Amino acid sequence: TQLLEQSPQFLSIQEGENLTVYCNSSSVFSSLQWYRQEPGEGPVLLVTVVTGGEVKKLKRLTFQFGDARKDSSLHITAAQTGDTGLYLCAGESGGSYIPTFGRGTSLIVHP
Amino acid sequence: KAGVTQTPRYLIKTRGQQVTLSCSPISGHRSVSWYQQTPGQGLQFLFEYFSETQRNKGNFPGRFSGRQFSNSRSEMNVSTLELGDSALYLCASSPSGRTGAEAFFGQGTRLTVV
Repeated sequence: TQLLEQSPQFLSIQEGENLTVYCNSSSVFSSLQWYRQEPGEGPVLLVTVVTGGEVKKLKRLTFQFGDARKDSSLHITAAQTGDTGLYLCAGESGGSYIPTFGRGTSLIVHP
Repeated sequence: KAGVTQTPRYLIKTRGQQVTLSCSPISGHRSVSWYQQTPGQGLQFLFEYFSETQRNKGNFPGRFSGRQFSNSRSEMNVSTLELGDSALYLCASSPSGRTGAEAFFGQGTRLTVV
């Protein structure tokens, strides 16, 4: 059973479009991270959210942590080809320091 | 500041062989974690080392082992390789590891078992 469910699994859009990807769980997370991974590379940390209801912005990317700390979303405004990659959410729950990763959302932005 | 360095980048091994992968963390980082990434299972936690001691362990068989040296560099060993061990193996470092998944990853070692 995957502790963190990400949706959609795949997303193919045109440059300039907006998109939202989701990360959901039935468990409460003490913190949650979003990473972007490009082919042949390791994941790169984008943001960490720790407070329920927290919203963080990173240029065109907006991250939100659910009030109950069980879910998170990543919204990209006016997507660019450079946003192409695998977006992963990860977090800890139940007092464990062992991180759990979602399976990711593979995003392709076409010019 | 140099990032996390993993060597080798690519490796092809035969079933039954053993393999050792290396990871040099960011200078000053004392926690090193290892992950296996496959298309079917995604990123799965193998183990974490801190100050030369294994602090956390994922749900992998004993064929997967690791160690950490006094300079925080870490190695991961897989014995009696199976076809299913083919994967991207990622190493991540963090200053203390207490924030769990907030880590800095290397580029990974792509292991192919034939």
